Amino acid sequence: EAQVTQNPRYLITVTGKKLTVTCSQNMNHEYMSWYRQDPGLGLRQIYYSMNVEVTDKGDVPEGYKVSRKEKRNFPLILESPSPNQTSLYFCASSADFNSYEQYFGPGTRLTVT
Amino acid sequence: GQQVMQIPQYQHVQEGEDFTTYCNSSTTLSNIQWYKQRPGGHPVFLIQLVKSGEVKKQKRLTFQFGEAKKNSSLHITATQTTDVGTYFCAGPDSGYSTLTFGKGTMLLVSP
Repeated sequence: EAQVTQNPRYLITVTGKKLTVTCSQNMNHEYMSWYRQDPGLGLRQIYYSMNVEVTDKGDVPEGYKVSRKEKRNFPLILESPSPNQTSLYFCASSADFNSYEQYFGPGTRLTVT
Repeated sequence: GQQVMQIPQYQHVQEGEDFTTYCNSSTTLSNIQWYKQRPGGHPVFLIQLVKSGEVKKQKRLTFQFGEAKKNSSLHITATQTTDVGTYFCAGPDSGYSTLTFGKGTMLLVSP
């Protein structure tokens, strides 16, 4: 089954404790992206990757890191989480950016206390 | 930067009533995509419009792309409770690398 998976689905952590949210897709997609969703603000892009070893900042990259060492995986790293990073995070992928729809993962609800 | 605005933010209808959400971009778009997110779920792609003035239908849903390719609409005829969710439009930036989403319209349908 074609899908985007994220882990963990729920996470409660404390300020400053490094964490990684994994994202994996099995569709051989080139384009992958991370979004955060907050009430009243909609979906905002954090980082994206056009292909392996190619990543770039989206609209709200501060406090986040990503890597794309393999085509299928695109982890999101929070080196020192802060309470303002409490949010619902979605990973998405598409065959390429220009013409194809994005497939979203199930989401990761992160709470930073 | 590019801005994509959607109205209304929220609409509550009775089952059987029609519903429309509007999307406006600050820049001309090469294409526009629509997504639906059910409560507690993730966004799911509905459709992509590419041509100026394009109209596409999916059963009770009608999507339009404006002549100037800066606005779009989604119209649902005779809503059903299964239509409940938030509808987002999204358009690519001029560099074709990021997708800007509108803030969405939340639709609630009462039986």
